[in-house]
Amino acid sequence: EADIYQTPRYLVIGTGKKITLECSQTMGHDKMYWYQQDPGMELHLIHYSYGVNSTEKGDLSSESTVSRIRTEHFPLTLESARPSHTSQYLCASSGKWGNSYNSPLHFGNGTRLTVT
Amino acid sequence: GNSVTQMEGPVTLSEEAFLTINCTYTATGYPSLFWYVQYPGEGLQLLLKATKADDKGSNKGFEATYRKETTSFHLEKGSVQVSDSAVYFCALSSPADSWGKFQFGAGTQVVVTP
Repeated sequence: EADIYQTPRYLVIGTGKKITLECSQTMGHDKMYWYQQDPGMELHLIHYSYGVNSTEKGDLSSESTVSRIRTEHFPLTLESARPSHTSQYLCASSGKWGNSYNSPLHFGNGTRLTVT
Repeated sequence: GNSVTQMEGPVTLSEEAFLTINCTYTATGYPSLFWYVQYPGEGLQLLLKATKADDKGSNKGFEATYRKETTSFHLEKGSVQVSDSAVYFCALSSPADSWGKFQFGAGTQVVVTP
């Protein structure tokens, strides 16, 4: 049972288009994350947020941007898509701020993006 | 910095075989350790976790024991099924990073044949 939702599941789009990948969670989690997963399966953290109006860049440089206006919503935007952005994007969330570090991540089912 | 190393795949097994996926970590302090599983076309799901030394996490026949002395958290299952075919990720979360940033291993693909 998914408490974190990503849309769309699949997206094929042309170079130069602006796109927004949606992510919403119903668990009241303060912390949210975006990961990029390459074909070799490895996960790369590209953005995270520990609450409303907080966003940080992750370990992997990304041309995408994020916003966190509401606790439950953490969309990711690409202003101008390029073929190098082709990948799987996974959204995740975890516990309340100040909760212990043993609070696990909950993942959505991902958006598979193809830029032609 | 913190890091997780897990064995490379793919690991190919016959049904009912014993599965072990090795995972070792480097971290300051006493991290929490996790195993996640990813089925084709889906996101990652928490499989099990352990939060302190000598804890054993278990779920769906899978087990892993937090070994501080060897900095390991190997995943085991005694008798695999075709439905266990998936990618498995070892991960840690460190108390040194108070807001909960995770380190993931590179993932190990497991293929179980009938």
